Amino acid sequence: DQQVKQNSPSLSVQEGRISILNCDYTNSMFDYFLWYKKYPAEGPTFLISISSIKDKNEDGRFTVFLNKSAKHLSLHIVPSQPGDSAVYFCAAIGSFGNEKLTFGTGTRLTIIP
Amino acid sequence: KAGVTQTPRYLIKTRGQQVTLSCSPISGHRSVSWYQQTPGQGLQFLFEYFSETQRNKGNFPGRFSGRQFSNSRSEMNVSTLELGDSALYLCASSFTVSGANVLTFGAGSRLTVL
Repeated sequence: DQQVKQNSPSLSVQEGRISILNCDYTNSMFDYFLWYKKYPAEGPTFLISISSIKDKNEDGRFTVFLNKSAKHLSLHIVPSQPGDSAVYFCAAIGSFGNEKLTFGTGTRLTIIP
Repeated sequence: KAGVTQTPRYLIKTRGQQVTLSCSPISGHRSVSWYQQTPGQGLQFLFEYFSETQRNKGNFPGRFSGRQFSNSRSEMNVSTLELGDSALYLCASSFTVSGANVLTFGAGSRLTVL
């Protein structure tokens, strides 16, 4: 039962354009969401997060949007740069106990120069 | 400060064998979590240890086990290896029980089962 879903396994975007990565979740008890980025041969690294009390969080070129009613979040990268080519994982957690982070299946983003 | 260190980085085993993977967390971090990454499945949670106690466990068979030592270093063991156990095993540490804390991941141990 995949509670966090990234339905696009891959995405290609022209350098300088906007990259939009999507993530859907099914558990309405999730209240904190994170994005991690992973390069080959390295572990995932934290990118940006958002609490369910917000609908947007911005950090430089990265913005995460949360639509609680649709149980959907998205990561926008603008402008996209070649160094952004990586696998992006969204993750979610709920504050309803001794919970662990639940990750999506990942989206491989390729930025085309 | 040094990051999360996982050893070995790569290993090849055959079906039926067992394997032990090691993880040294960031100094001062007391929580260690383990994840399995396979194509199409993303990161699947294995277990989390905090102060030598297993705090949480994912949906993996009993062949997967782990432990944490007093210095916060952790090991995970997989017995009676199956072909489907081939994966990247990632360890992550955080200062407290992971919760919503940001996890710092190691580079992983890539296991191939033949």
